[in-house]
Amino acid sequence: GQQVMQIPQYQHVQEGEDFTTYCNSSTTLSNIQWYKQRPGGHPVFLIQLVKSGEVKKQKRLTFQFGEAKKNSSLHITATQTTDVGTYFCAVPGGGKLTFGQGTILTVHP
Amino acid sequence: DAGITQSPRHKVTETGTPVTLRCHQTENHRYMYWYRQDPGHGLRLIHYSYGVKDTDKGEVSDGYSVSRSKTEDFLLTLESATSSQTSVYFCAISESNRLSEQYFGPGTRLTVT
Repeated sequence: GQQVMQIPQYQHVQEGEDFTTYCNSSTTLSNIQWYKQRPGGHPVFLIQLVKSGEVKKQKRLTFQFGEAKKNSSLHITATQTTDVGTYFCAVPGGGKLTFGQGTILTVHP
Repeated sequence: DAGITQSPRHKVTETGTPVTLRCHQTENHRYMYWYRQDPGHGLRLIHYSYGVKDTDKGEVSDGYSVSRSKTEDFLLTLESATSSQTSVYFCAISESNRLSEQYFGPGTRLTVT
């Protein structure tokens, strides 16, 4: 199936700092999805990117799809304690979605 | 949140016993999935269904079976539970195809002693 590398595995920030997580694939992707999972919760769909170079924003969250459609990033501006959780990317491959291992974000107040 | 429920939410069972987890949806979505989530492994697909009585294996299907007799229900059975199946199990649904966005249930925490 499709392989996707997500980095970093962990990120600790002070409240107000920015945060970025990256997903990288060795092959060209048709699309990429992002999910968030709060501690003790379930994954929640955030967004899907389809076009080369696409940039989408949701309040303080900015999602980018690389020009070559092999990588993507999720950037959070001025983190808040409500941003804590694990952020996953998911990519299609072998007829199914494959999830990255996730980036665990902790925010210190 | 999508109308997805899982039961039970927590279960402790002994090695060698059969266990069935239930996923119920009220969205009438065609596709349903079972994942397990373990530290360091992310979400791994166990089985999925693309319609009533239509199921297929995922990447970690050994020791698990599934059934879907109605659109709204997808059952995951551990035929003879082992300690390696201690995990959090999530059900998910998607509407149009296996590559569209998925909506997850609240999860079942299973401990096999």
